[in-house]
Amino acid sequence: DIVMTQSPDSLAVSLGERATINCKSSQSVLYSSNNKNYLAWYQQKAGQPPKLLIKWASTRESGVPDRFSGSGSGTDFTLTISSLQAEDVAVYYCQQHYNTPQMFGQGTKVEIK
Amino acid sequence: QEQLVESGGGVVQPGRSLRLSCVASGFTFSSYGMHWVRHAPGKGLEWVAVIWYDGSNKNYAESVKGRFTISRDNSRNTLYLQMNSLRADDTAVYYCARSGDDSGYHTTWGQGTLVTVSS
Repeated sequence: DIVMTQSPDSLAVSLGERATINCKSSQSVLYSSNNKNYLAWYQQKAGQPPKLLIKWASTRESGVPDRFSGSGSGTDFTLTISSLQAEDVAVYYCQQHYNTPQMFGQGTKVEIK
Repeated sequence: QEQLVESGGGVVQPGRSLRLSCVASGFTFSSYGMHWVRHAPGKGLEWVAVIWYDGSNKNYAESVKGRFTISRDNSRNTLYLQMNSLRADDTAVYYCARSGDDSGYHTTWGQGTLVTVSS
């Protein structure tokens, strides 16, 4: 199984400041035949289902604000919120969809400082 | 717009069974792989199972293998999760989710149905 580990478990950021979440996979999720990283990011607000933010490690889903960006390749990935807004308070998860079981990271809780 | 609506959750005693359903609308259900994902209280998301668009292939998390069965009825636009030999640690909100156009990331999610396993 490909284990996903996020850091930190939680972070508090001032409004308008940058938030950075890291995700590390226990083995590469880069598929050599198409040069794509099988890594997605989700946002889950309290009492709501998760929402897909980023696919292929860096492709923003339609309708997702451009303050959200994803980067990285192979085993190390980052989700960045460039200017934190109040509505961004949530738990964020990375997930590998390279193979099954499709493991999620443990989640990172983002709060306002 | 795309919509997934789960049902079938409830309170059940350990060792008993429950079947969840997920009705899809707003997209061509028979063209997409479908997943079940659960969220236990105070914990993170856990992927449970996937079924290919035509039902020809299924995969499960180790924690549910041999106890849960994923299936689908493309004529009814409905996904199912048959859960047998339920345990307390199966208590969670269960979500169905649609695969992306080109891979297994989850583009559309239902609102979830709560399963509580308790005596």
